[in-house]
Amino acid sequence: QSVMTQPPSASGTPGQRVTISCSGSSSNIGGNYVYWYQQLPGTAPKLLIYRNNQRPSRVPDRFSGSKSGTSASLAISGLRSEDEADYYCAAWDDSLSGVVFGGGTKLTVL
Amino acid sequence: QVQLVQSGVEVKKPGASVKVSCKASGYSFSAYGITWVRQAPGQGLEWMGWISAYNGNRNYAQNFQGRVTMTTDTSTSTAYMELRSLRSDDTAVYYCARDSPHKGYDFDYWGQGTLVTVSS
Repeated sequence: QSVMTQPPSASGTPGQRVTISCSGSSSNIGGNYVYWYQQLPGTAPKLLIYRNNQRPSRVPDRFSGSKSGTSASLAISGLRSEDEADYYCAAWDDSLSGVVFGGGTKLTVL
Repeated sequence: QVQLVQSGVEVKKPGASVKVSCKASGYSFSAYGITWVRQAPGQGLEWMGWISAYNGNRNYAQNFQGRVTMTTDTSTSTAYMELRSLRSDDTAVYYCARDSPHKGYDFDYWGQGTLVTVSS
């Protein structure tokens, strides 16, 4: 059971905008930065978003992150087939004194 | 370019230990920490802990306290993760990852992963 909760699945058609939620608590999301990772099938995770809403330079601006209270969201606009992957949120947890990941969301591009 | 290259597949019996290596290149090894994350088959990501390649400071996840040891060898720019008293539920892909320059808890470069299978 993950400390942070994500929907197990999400879907959209090419060109659509989809959002993936991540719900936590005051000990993780509520008091710390949120990060998002993309994991394509059979590959290592890739950093998509850091510090709630910042994108590494190599990440397209179709990906954006936001945070409000103890929840965070990842939005993907202009959905493409290559976005089909698992997405994970992550944050430092003050109670556990460690990094915690959400359970992951499998995104399907229909 | 930054690269983290991990050691190969391991098959271990229950109760044994495994030591996975992660050789870094393309950056100043001592300037960044290394984090270890594992992923059981069909499951999500689990943070195992972190080690500073600068001074060896460590922070292990509570779930692995007493069973894991993380070390670095700055002479070869290699990080190691040893897990002892292996159980079948330790079967997973183990990843090393570099701390990003953002001084947070994000990891910008990852190794290719090492599959560790624990089976009698």
